[in-house]
Amino acid sequence: KAGVTQTPRYLIKTRGQQVTLSCSPISGHRSVSWYQQTPGQGLQFLFEYFSETQRNKGNFPGRFSGRQFSNSRSEMNVSTLELGDSALYLCASSLIGRGNSPLHFGNGTRLTVT
Amino acid sequence: GQQVMQIPQYQHVQEGEDFTTYCNSSTTLSNIQWYKQRPGGHPVFLIQLVKSGEVKKQKRLTFQFGEAKKNSSLHITATQTTDVGTYFCAGLLYGGSQGNLIFGKGTKLSVKP
Repeated sequence: KAGVTQTPRYLIKTRGQQVTLSCSPISGHRSVSWYQQTPGQGLQFLFEYFSETQRNKGNFPGRFSGRQFSNSRSEMNVSTLELGDSALYLCASSLIGRGNSPLHFGNGTRLTVT
Repeated sequence: GQQVMQIPQYQHVQEGEDFTTYCNSSTTLSNIQWYKQRPGGHPVFLIQLVKSGEVKKQKRLTFQFGEAKKNSSLHITATQTTDVGTYFCAGLLYGGSQGNLIFGKGTKLSVKP
């Protein structure tokens, strides 16, 4: 079974720009969650999508948004980038989500904002 | 907001020594999961504990869930260099409306050969 695929692996953007990250979950997994990982704050939950609906959201500003398509693939968008948005963005798929089943993480997208 | 505290933040051991990391929540948890992240890698699921007082073993790794379902531990016996990485616990709040896992900040383990 193929794992979770995230693209791109690396991104360098300038302050004020926007960025879109993509995630393809494991086949059969309908839940996709996004996390931001930084050395200081650890793994912080952004949002979870299940069957194209956002059913959970973390404490991030509205500049962070996402969506899920009918094939369960998900995208995350960050608008008006700030220096503090530099981080590793991890996508994780799971069978049923809501913290009740294991998360399978992708390799992440390393975003650098200059 | 709700937090899951994990200690210690760092642990340096000699190969062959034991290692333990602890996870504590002020709120009862429905379940707790443990993940390992190798340097440069992504978190990989290790185990999920659900029942009060549950103990599970995976070779040299022993996982425990406290009786009150507010704390958990991961113990590694006779560490090896392959155990290097950061170990995260992630708890699901009991009865929480959010329904998302809250991750501890992790314990970074280094093993000196």
